[in-house]
Parts: sequence; C-alpha cells; structure tokens
Amino acid sequence: ETGVTQSPTHLIKTRGQQVTLRCSSQSGHNTVSWYQQALGQGPQFIFQYYREEENGRGNFPPRFSGLQFPNYSSELNVNALELDDSALYLCASSPRDPVYNEQFFGPGTRLTVL
Amino acid sequence: TQLLEQSPQFLSIQEGENLTVYCNSSSVFSSLQWYRQEPGEGPVLLVTVVTGGEVKKLKRLTFQFGDARKDSSLHITAAQPGDTGLYLCAGSDNYGQNFVFGPGTRLSVLP
Repeated sequence: ETGVTQSPTHLIKTRGQQVTLRCSSQSGHNTVSWYQQALGQGPQFIFQYYREEENGRGNFPPRFSGLQFPNYSSELNVNALELDDSALYLCASSPRDPVYNEQFFGPGTRLTVL
Repeated sequence: TQLLEQSPQFLSIQEGENLTVYCNSSSVFSSLQWYRQEPGEGPVLLVTVVTGGEVKKLKRLTFQFGDARKDSSLHITAAQPGDTGLYLCAGSDNYGQNFVFGPGTRLSVLP
C-alpha cells in the first residue's frame, strides 16, 4: 500500500508569484484535504476535495484554490504569494466516511516566500 | 467557528514519568483524533474516538473522549524518549468537511 506523497519537498518563491503543490493520495482513498501549518502552530484546514469538487473550506482567501483529478490526486494553487504564506503545506487523504474521517498525511511541502 | 485548545503547550519530563495532555472545545464533534508529529514530517494518526465516554488504549497510551464529545485527554504511562514530539488533537463534523486542529502539545522526554 502506497502512502500519501507530496511534491516538491521544498520550494522558494518571491512575493507576488504563483505556486502549485501536488499530492498523490493513498491507495483506496477518494478524499483529499489540504492544510497550512505555520511554524510552531497546528495545521489549519484550507479545503477538502471529493469527487473532483471542493467539499468544505476553511478561512482562506480565494487565491488559494485546488483541483482533484479522476485518480484522486490533487493540486493546491496559491496566487499572488505573500510573505505570510511561508509554511509547511500538508496534504491528507482519507476514505469517505461520515464519522471517522481518519486523515493520513503526506510529509508536506515547505514553502518559503521571500 | 469551532476551536480546539490544548494544554499544556509545552511539557518536558524525565523518562519513566507519567503525563496527561488535554484537548478542550466548546463545540461538539462527530469524531476526535490524536496525531503525533515529528519535525519536518506530517502528522501520524494515533487514534480516533467517536463515542462520548469512550476510552481507547494503545500500548502505553490511553485516550479518553468526554461524555459530551467536546473534550479529550491523552495519558502516557512510563514515557520514553521515543514519545517525544508534537501531539495534536483534531475534531471534525460529519464527513470531515470542517476539520479543526488544536495548536498542539510539544512533549520532550529526557533520558
């Protein structure tokens, strides 16, 4: 069984640029969620994708957008990068379940905005 | 807006000691999970609790979900240096459409 993978591992961008982060979900999982984790804090929920549609969103502006593909992999796109966007971006996949919602995380992408 | 609070924020203990960390909210959750995260890695799921009053044991770790499904605790018996890490609790409503993490408890177990 293959776990959740993310690419790239690290990324450095400058303010105003755009970035795309990628995630492959764990085998058998059809739901993907994205989180932002600033240094020293817990992960913050960005959004969730199920059946290629956004299925829940946290308190993030529209310049954070995503996609889910038919093979359940996903992308996170961030436009007009700001310094505060520097963080660890985590992707988690899960099987669709009304109660347990057990999230399995990838290793994350460390984004630095200069 | 659902929020989770965790206490203590930091905890440093000697190997062999017992400890309890807490996760509290004013909101009711369908399920609550505990994760452990090590530096530079993603969180790893430890347990999920869904029933009020539920107690689950995982070797030296005991997890309890409050009767009202608003709070939880994690008790570690005879802590070992390998238990060192950031312990995160997370709650969600149905289908995980609004997943909320607490800020975490950073545990350091000294040999």
